[in-house]
Amino acid sequence: IAGITQAPTSQILAAGRRMTLRCTQDMRHNAMYWYRQDLGLGLRLIHYSNTAGTTGKGEVPDGYSVSRANTDDFPLTLASAVPSQTSVYFCASSEGESGTDTQYFGPGTRLTVL
Amino acid sequence: GQNIDQPTEMTATEGAIVQINCTYQTSGFNGLFWYQQHAGEAPTFLSYNVLDGLEEKGRFSSFLSRSKGYSYLLLKELQMKDSASYLCAVMDSNYQLIWGAGTKLIIKP
Repeated sequence: IAGITQAPTSQILAAGRRMTLRCTQDMRHNAMYWYRQDLGLGLRLIHYSNTAGTTGKGEVPDGYSVSRANTDDFPLTLASAVPSQTSVYFCASSEGESGTDTQYFGPGTRLTVL
Repeated sequence: GQNIDQPTEMTATEGAIVQINCTYQTSGFNGLFWYQQHAGEAPTFLSYNVLDGLEEKGRFSSFLSRSKGYSYLLLKELQMKDSASYLCAVMDSNYQLIWGAGTKLIIKP
């Protein structure tokens, strides 16, 4: 089934640990995004990639890093997790042909940092 | 700063009509999106408006007034499955989506 997959579905992590959230899409979309969603707040963009080999910072990039080695994968790494990074993380992708392309979301990863 | 405002929660009755409003102040405008998000699930795309006016898609319609910085999502013939959060998002001058906090819609029988 075409779409976006994320792993893990949920994770409890000790503060200070390193964690990589995985995201894979099979729609051959050029652009990919990482958001976090917190109660009472809108989705906030962490990092994005307009095409393989390029990445950019969003609204809340501190404490996170990404890479885009190929079209399909866009992992998000927390180098040293802190409790404020407890959130639901969504990966999304869009065709990237035009800046106003619709974004399609993965199922999310629920991360708890203790 | 950039800001998207929408009501936190609304309640409506099955079979009725509900209008969810969204006002925005952003640096530039490249379109407005509405997404639906059921509890514990991913947001899914509902509509996109870039020109003023009403876009109708089945039971859902979306309206935009760029001069007023205003949009609404109209849901007709409400069904229990429409219970969800509805997210308004505006694409700014950098082609990044700015999201509202969402409106939780509760449908009562």
